[in-house]
Amino acid sequence: LAKTTQPISMDSYEGQEVNITCSHNNIATNDYITWYQQFPSQGPRFIIQGYKTKVTNEVASLFIPADRKSSTLSLPRVSLSDTAVYYCLDMDTGRRALTFGSGTRLQVQP
Amino acid sequence: DVKVTQSSRYLVKRTGEKVFLECVQDMDHENMFWYRQDPGLGLRLIYFSYDVKMKEKGDIPEGYSVSREKKERFSLILESASTNQTSMYLCASSLRGGREKLFFGSGTQLSVL
Repeated sequence: LAKTTQPISMDSYEGQEVNITCSHNNIATNDYITWYQQFPSQGPRFIIQGYKTKVTNEVASLFIPADRKSSTLSLPRVSLSDTAVYYCLDMDTGRRALTFGSGTRLQVQP
Repeated sequence: DVKVTQSSRYLVKRTGEKVFLECVQDMDHENMFWYRQDPGLGLRLIYFSYDVKMKEKGDIPEGYSVSREKKERFSLILESASTNQTSMYLCASSLRGGREKLFFGSGTQLSVL
């Protein structure tokens, strides 16, 4: 029932920039695009959120094109500690609940 | 920071037992959620609540019920535990719906034997 589609896994090396793209084919006008990060044995935590264009914070950047049918999470210069599962979501405003998909498992190698 | 506390980190129960998973948040959040997480399936929404004594079904409510008698506490109840309910259970809360961030607990790994 997830509303988004993203790659199952990605590999990278320390120091590289990682871009994870998500498809939001059923996004509603009022939905915000949100990304969460989950480390093993922990609950997910909020990383970044946006509506359109570009948003940047101390952790990541989020790029959203004008049609809002996709989003790209950009992690600059990843380290081993960025190894995690990353989820993209848009709010199901009809239910006021967030539906998570399977996420993208990012493995960062030394 | 918001703290969402789940009462048990690990729990082992027998088939047919009634199981209670407790979740408490300390930031006066209106919304609370229960998810389960299984390998390869991501997080799936079981139930959520946007007010005391209110509840709404998520995507997989069968075999579960919930209780929210106080704003800070949201309980997940397995009426008669079965082996297919072995899973990681995650509780979350948010201030309100819409754009508000979800804050998650550390999870309860439930094994039903």
